[in-house]
Amino acid sequence: QVQLVQSGAEVKKPGASVKVSCKASGYTFTSYYMHWVRQAPGQGLEWMGIINPSGGSTSYAQKFQGRVTMTRDTSTSTVYMELSSLRSEDTAVYYCARSSSLEWFEYWGQGTLVTVSS
Amino acid sequence: SYVLTQPPSVSVAPGKTARITCGGNNIGSKSVHWYQQKPGQAPVLVIYYDSDRPSGIPERFSGSNSGNTATLTISRVEAGDEADYYCQVWDSSSDHRWVFGGGTKLTVL
Repeated sequence: QVQLVQSGAEVKKPGASVKVSCKASGYTFTSYYMHWVRQAPGQGLEWMGIINPSGGSTSYAQKFQGRVTMTRDTSTSTVYMELSSLRSEDTAVYYCARSSSLEWFEYWGQGTLVTVSS
Repeated sequence: SYVLTQPPSVSVAPGKTARITCGGNNIGSKSVHWYQQKPGQAPVLVIYYDSDRPSGIPERFSGSNSGNTATLTISRVEAGDEADYYCQVWDSSSDHRWVFGGGTKLTVL
């Protein structure tokens, strides 16, 4: 069965960077796009960007351009999301989510809480 | 940027029907997808392509989409349906091309 297992919670200071991982299993890693979606405490869902695990191409929401980098390691079936220049507003749960169709998210990781606090 | 508008909350008695709306400009021309999120858990896809159910989702969950409103309908509501529900569309002209509604908290009375 498809599983997306994310790395553990992180606490970072403002201005630092965080790198969250998402290890996929149960399917052919390079056959499906992966997204990152975040959710601030008590708030809704916000799409951040997408990576094609096959070639590594990415596309980011303009809001995060210049601060986010998504990468993948095909040898371990893992995608990564790095967010830099962290501020308190980046405190959120970060999810990886696989799309089967381009349009929706069929499988989600368990989420990684990133707390930005001085 | 495309905007999806959901009511913040909907309340329904057990066994009744809950309807959660998602408003957007000519949303009927797009495909709408719905997610259920329980506290402390990741979202779960419950409806895709307006009205299709993924495997494992009860038939009590259904969807429709026309004009400026898409609707998620939950029949014979159970206590376990209490959750936040989000609609989502793909809009190629938006910066956030995968756009979510603000979410609706379903309370089972």
